[in-house]
Amino acid sequence: GAGVSQSPSNKVTEKGKDVELRCDPISGHTALYWYRQSLGQGLEFLIYFQGNSAPDKSGLPSDRFSAERTGGSVSTLTIQRTQQEDSAVYLCASSSWTANTEAFFGQGTRLTVV
Amino acid sequence: GESVGLHLPTLSVQEGDNSIINCAYSNSASDYFIWYKQESGKGPQFIIDIRSNMDKRQGQRVTVLLNKTVKHLSLQIAATQPGDSAVYFCAENRGGSGAQKLVFGQGTRLTINP
Repeated sequence: GAGVSQSPSNKVTEKGKDVELRCDPISGHTALYWYRQSLGQGLEFLIYFQGNSAPDKSGLPSDRFSAERTGGSVSTLTIQRTQQEDSAVYLCASSSWTANTEAFFGQGTRLTVV
Repeated sequence: GESVGLHLPTLSVQEGDNSIINCAYSNSASDYFIWYKQESGKGPQFIIDIRSNMDKRQGQRVTVLLNKTVKHLSLQIAATQPGDSAVYFCAENRGGSGAQKLVFGQGTRLTINP
């Protein structure tokens, strides 16, 4: 596609339920990133994938958060047993793996936990 | 702790005037900074970047200045237009070669008045 695509654009879930957020990166981009944007914490790095290397999970806030990337393309961010503090916009970005490259962001998934 | 921060949360300028958005950082070893623009309902969009071996970099109507002595960078937008109204973030790339592992500031909301 022309850009990074995320789905759904909005998600409302009940506290305690699991949610899955999807990201389709730009074709050919080997690196994929997840960020979270919330009123209290601003824009935070969560995790990134690069090719077949082990992902950098250093930004995941708890073990309720996990992500996978299948076939080096589509990624899914899973939040288990959602809490109200998980409410935020979850942004996915992709980039090519070269120096001085830029990350292209999707429009995000707005998650509301009620 | 180490951080990337902004001096002002909001800035209003008249259309056609120049605007300057400031950002401070705390890690003297930081060597790669990026400015992003985020419009309502969209993901951040790359504007311009600068590495620590440079003091100034120019793009189309935008200039980024980096002062390593006082650990400060700024984004100057010339001849502002209504479309420049957005939230602007400075970010430090801590990912090393290739990775876009970004630490964002809190953002400045720029409003262009007609």
